[in-house]
Amino acid sequence: QKEVEQNSGPLSVPEGAIASLNCTYSDRGSQSFFWYRQYSGKSPELIMSIYSNGDKEDGRFTAQLNKASQYVSLLIRDSQPSDSATYLCAVILTGANSKLTFGKGITLSVRP
Amino acid sequence: DAGVIQSPRHEVTEMGQEVTLRCKPISGHNSLFWYRQTMMRGLELLIYFNNNVPIDDSGMPEDRFSAKMPNASFSTLKIQPSEPRDSAVYFCASSIMGGSSPLHFGNGTRLTVT
Repeated sequence: QKEVEQNSGPLSVPEGAIASLNCTYSDRGSQSFFWYRQYSGKSPELIMSIYSNGDKEDGRFTAQLNKASQYVSLLIRDSQPSDSATYLCAVILTGANSKLTFGKGITLSVRP
Repeated sequence: DAGVIQSPRHEVTEMGQEVTLRCKPISGHNSLFWYRQTMMRGLELLIYFNNNVPIDDSGMPEDRFSAKMPNASFSTLKIQPSEPRDSAVYFCASSIMGGSSPLHFGNGTRLTVT
């Protein structure tokens, strides 16, 4: 099993819908989780971080963490065409010297 | 703030040639990361420096790859000799401290080895 997996995708949703992006990780001891967004041809940028079980909301974005099930998800409410991008899940694994391991990403397309 | 600056933006070279990629991190950031991105493998960490000292180089593919950080404002990633399978986008990123603080990525260097 890969350390950080993002298996679903690409994902296409209509404008105004909720987009749900999922990520699983293999290391049960991981404590820090992040979502980065990467527009085509651009570099990744941090949009959310989450460290505790439950939900964390920031505007239209909600990150959800379930450490028992070892998954972290990102919900985007009222999706806009400008949200069309690749979303990368990233985890600091146990004993990893604070280095960040990324999943391969999920490409989201929001249809007008 | 100029952000993380990488050069060159594009590099096309022939197999066997030496390639040097350059990075200037954001001033005041203590951690610097070199990542490689391909469609097949995604974003892979090659090496990570803290306060100019290499902390983890377990992602460096083989001896053909080397990285240096002679001071807080400059780092290089060198590939010698280059091979076609090294073709990828190479990103440099910096953060205040480690991966738990936001990584600021440069625009990347697109390397093509023919």
